[in-house]
Amino acid sequence: EVQLLESGGGLVQPGGSLRLSCVASGFTISSHGMSWVRQAPGKGLEWVSGVSSTGGTTSCAESVKGRCTISRDISKNTLYLQMNSLSADDTALYYCARGTLLLDYWGQGTLVTVSS
Amino acid sequence: DVVMTQSPLSLPVTLGQPASISCRSSQSLVHSDGNTYLNWFQQRPGQSPRRLIYTVSKRDSGVPDRFSGSGSGTDFTLKISRVEAEDVGVYYCMQGTHWPLTFGGGTKVEIK
Repeated sequence: EVQLLESGGGLVQPGGSLRLSCVASGFTISSHGMSWVRQAPGKGLEWVSGVSSTGGTTSCAESVKGRCTISRDISKNTLYLQMNSLSADDTALYYCARGTLLLDYWGQGTLVTVSS
Repeated sequence: DVVMTQSPLSLPVTLGQPASISCRSSQSLVHSDGNTYLNWFQQRPGQSPRRLIYTVSKRDSGVPDRFSGSGSGTDFTLKISRVEAEDVGVYYCMQGTHWPLTFGGGTKVEIK
């Protein structure tokens, strides 16, 4: 059974940083592209970042470019999202999803709250 | 970036009646590999998004056959043939053809 389990969210002060993790089970992330998608409270879905199945291509949305790094540890079957210089606009539930075209499986999300 | 425009924003439906959601993209979603990566997601209250339809019209495993997707190029539709109480939630279209991936703004389906 495919499962995605995010962690690493929490309360962070403006200007701070966070590293989110997404542990995958039931498949190997080296065979699939992976994405991060966020949802601000009461708002819609926004793609944040993605990595190709080979790991050779990564991208971040314009709204987080320069502050976002997506990476993965194949040995741990884990996806990461490093976010720096956080502001209130980054407050959201962050989901990881399998794929970069089809997003067929999603985790339950990890909540990031940026506030002083 | 590709802009995805959904309508309506809100869709009150009587149980057992059909519902239809429109999604339009600002440019063609035909990928260089020939596929059209237009997906539909359902988000029930308090839950993660769940994919219902991929590549325009393919239904995911376990998705009731009252859900169907259609369209081509830049114009797409999700239809629910007979709305049931469990269909309440927000529906999003998403294009995976062009990076960055982009979502429609969502359509809230509720029971009248």
